[in-house]
Amino acid sequence: DTEVTQTPKHLVMGMTNKKSLKCEQHMGHRAMYWYKQKAKKPPELMFVYSYEKLSINESVPSRFSPECPNSSLLNLHLHALQPEDSALYLCASSQGQGAQPQHFGDGTRLSIL
Amino acid sequence: QKEVEQNSGPLSVPEGAIASLNCTYSDRGSQSFFWYRQYSGKSPELIMFIYSNGDKEDGRFTAQLNKASQYVSLLIRDSQPSDSATYLCAVNKGISRSNTGKLIFGQGTTLQVKP
Repeated sequence: DTEVTQTPKHLVMGMTNKKSLKCEQHMGHRAMYWYKQKAKKPPELMFVYSYEKLSINESVPSRFSPECPNSSLLNLHLHALQPEDSALYLCASSQGQGAQPQHFGDGTRLSIL
Repeated sequence: QKEVEQNSGPLSVPEGAIASLNCTYSDRGSQSFFWYRQYSGKSPELIMFIYSNGDKEDGRFTAQLNKASQYVSLLIRDSQPSDSATYLCAVNKGISRSNTGKLIFGQGTTLQVKP
């Protein structure tokens, strides 16, 4: 078990659905991240939040919409996804947005029908 | 040239041997270096991080950093079958605000420890 909790663990959705991925950490970390990982590939950064403000957006399509309601929570809102968006979505956190280690949650495995 | 390079393997070692995993990076401004272990179907787990030249030891794991050669390595002593996994090298590059916190991962090295 990790100290970064992601829900749900699995999600199957159609291309017209709207769903959200949730991430929570209680380590007092002030930076939180979303990554996408395809099979047999390394994680790819999508978004970085630092002190609840969006710091980095890696040119992610607008069908992915991040939200950071408070310092412990991070959401990823999904709408009108494509089959190629099927992947493992990983949340991570670190003490600050800098050189500190990032700790990953267990991930949400997303399948788009 | 990829920003972070690893040999994809598989690297196969017998149980009890030392496994040596290597990683090179291209950006001389890189600040910090991480090794993650990822079991099949699971998320990456942080096992070591290193910021300064030299060696850092934690139990059976030793991370080595040589900034002049832009080279990071991970040694696993007394390898166990449970160490069989993909090992991801990650580099935190640069000091500008747009780069800080951005981890660049290598493709990962698959390690197989045979009983």
